[in-house]
Amino acid sequence: GQSLEQPSEVTAVEGAIVQINCTYQTSGFYGLSWYQQHDGGAPTFLSYNALDGLEETGRFSSFLSRSDSYGYLLLQELQMKDSASYFCAGSIKAAGNKLTFGGGTRVLVKP
Amino acid sequence: NAGVTQTPKFRVLKTGQSMTLLCAQDMNHEYMYWYRQDPGMGLRLIHYSVGEGTTAKGEVPDGYNVSRLKKQNFLLGLESAAPSQTSVYFCASRLTGLGETQYFGPGTRLLVL
Repeated sequence: GQSLEQPSEVTAVEGAIVQINCTYQTSGFYGLSWYQQHDGGAPTFLSYNALDGLEETGRFSSFLSRSDSYGYLLLQELQMKDSASYFCAGSIKAAGNKLTFGGGTRVLVKP
Repeated sequence: NAGVTQTPKFRVLKTGQSMTLLCAQDMNHEYMYWYRQDPGMGLRLIHYSVGEGTTAKGEVPDGYNVSRLKKQNFLLGLESAAPSQTSVYFCASRLTGLGETQYFGPGTRLLVL
């Protein structure tokens, strides 16, 4: 089966750095994605790692280590608008190239 | 270019009633997906489609049916709604190929009394 574990909630202040970890157990896994979802909104794509290492996209970076079945999303220079839920999702190499989502991490940014 | 749209935005049903949720995308994507999201939880895949005329079961398919008669539309049906199906339903689509981003619709909030 497939499962992805992430912390349920993280609180930080504006300007800080937050790291959201994601550990996974998946068969047929080939990549890790991260999605952001604001309250009442739809998930939107943030980042994708197909290979081990760091991917940087502006203030957000994502890391993958296949040998450790582990990845993380790094949010830098936190802003109030970053208050949202963040989901890691494992890509499964099977018909439909489905995603299996973790339970999500709620990030609360305080002034 | 509207992306992924969902109809309706909100619906209240009584137990045993039926309804159909419509998802439409104008990006010529091959793959489409239906998810449900319960409060404070991640998304769980209900059904998906890899092309026009094809559908397949996801993680939680019981109580739902789907159809993909046209490439741009993916319908989710509830034949006899139950309170356990109260949830937010998201549709998503993507191109073929590994690692392609999924694009989500705005969601349909369903309350079953």
